[in-house]
Amino acid sequence: EPEVTQTPSHQVTQMGQEVILRCVPISNHLYFYWYRQILGQKVEFLVSFYNNEISEKSEIFDDQFSVERPDGSNFTLKIRSTKLEDSAMYFCASSLGGWRGADEQFFGPGTRLTVL
Amino acid sequence: AQTVTQSQPEMSVQEAETVTLSCTYDTSESNYYLFWYKQPPSRQMILVIRQEAYKQQNATENRFSVNFQKAAKSFSLKISDSQLGDTAMYFCAFMKRGGADGLTFGKGTHLIIQP
Repeated sequence: EPEVTQTPSHQVTQMGQEVILRCVPISNHLYFYWYRQILGQKVEFLVSFYNNEISEKSEIFDDQFSVERPDGSNFTLKIRSTKLEDSAMYFCASSLGGWRGADEQFFGPGTRLTVL
Repeated sequence: AQTVTQSQPEMSVQEAETVTLSCTYDTSESNYYLFWYKQPPSRQMILVIRQEAYKQQNATENRFSVNFQKAAKSFSLKISDSQLGDTAMYFCAFMKRGGADGLTFGKGTHLIIQP
């Protein structure tokens, strides 16, 4: 059964460094999302992406964040200059249909980002 | 903005028992969807069940069913004949219809099924 995959599973970085989190959505899916979960807190929406552009972003998704679908299979989240408070689990999700029908989102296993 | 509240951080039941997980939400939207997602230990989050708000009939999926009370903004999940494999974090989530702003999650309930 197809799955969303994410790499790396754990990333440790120094404050101020750039990180790129990678996701491979399910191949025929068209809608993509990033969420994050700070330890002990709720899973929070960051951004949705469709047709090679951002559809919606939360207030968390400031200028330090960017997303890209560079090659038709990967979907990346870049954090330009990491802060301590960016430490969290980051989840990628994809869906075949989109938000009009609230199509099922398939989640990846997450990348744990630790900023030191 | 909408909020989702799960008031039970952890629950523990014996195998084969029935368990109900609570979820309440707050929204001014009239068209929306509600979901229960399950995250087993060290595994991906997977969809358990979903409910369209405009449907009065409660959704069911095998041993999983919901009690959707729209006026009370309540959306509980009932698991019948619980199995060891049901041990997981369960997240209640909300999504407005036509909104691209993703799912709004509750904090989760850690369900432990004891043998």
